[in-house]
Amino acid sequence: EVKLVESGGGLVKPGGSLRLSCTASGFSFSRAWMTWVRQTPGQGLEWVGRIKSKADSGTTDYAAPVKGRFTISRDDSRNRLYLQMSSLKTEDTAVYYCTTLGDYYDSAHYHLRGFDYWGRGTLVTVSS
Amino acid sequence: DIQLTQSPSFLSASVGDRVTITCRASQDISSYLAWYHQKPGKAPKLLIYAASTLQSGVPSRFSGSGSGTEFTLTISSLQAEDFATYYCQHLKSYPLTFGQGTRLEIK
Repeated sequence: EVKLVESGGGLVKPGGSLRLSCTASGFSFSRAWMTWVRQTPGQGLEWVGRIKSKADSGTTDYAAPVKGRFTISRDDSRNRLYLQMSSLKTEDTAVYYCTTLGDYYDSAHYHLRGFDYWGRGTLVTVSS
Repeated sequence: DIQLTQSPSFLSASVGDRVTITCRASQDISSYLAWYHQKPGKAPKLLIYAASTLQSGVPSRFSGSGSGTEFTLTISSLQAEDFATYYCQHLKSYPLTFGQGTRLEIK
């Protein structure tokens, strides 16, 4: 069974830092592309960023609102995904989910399928 | 960035009804569209990818169609467990944006 468990959320002051972790099990984590998605209370979903598998270069991409402040990394030996957040703003308050990013094969190419599996999320509150 | 606009934002329906939700993209995204639903207090769940392919384990009453800029999600006969918020998402390019959501409630 695929399982993703986020941790590390909490209350932090504006300008502060926080590191979220996501512990994965039940699938080949080292081969997976992973993402972070956030959801502000009572609001919609916002993609935060993605990290490819190391075999696919391990590169990252970020949404504009977090670029330069957030960093995604992975430790395949521990099946863990991380989100290092710095220079936090009140508008970063949200539930943060880690997800897998699946693909499918069609017309001789792999294409992104969507966010197959999600954790339960961890709440980050940025407030003075 | 590609923007997605869902309609309606709110939908009231009864068990057994057929409902359709529309998602419009601000530019051509071919068939790179996914649909999710989310129940209160839970994480979203992937229902459909590539605009019309049912994710494994998703009931066949869900279907998706469309390509280019206009897409639809149809639930052929609503069940009690289908009352949730529905989101579309494009996977054409980064950033991978979501629609604003459609809240489906029991009439």
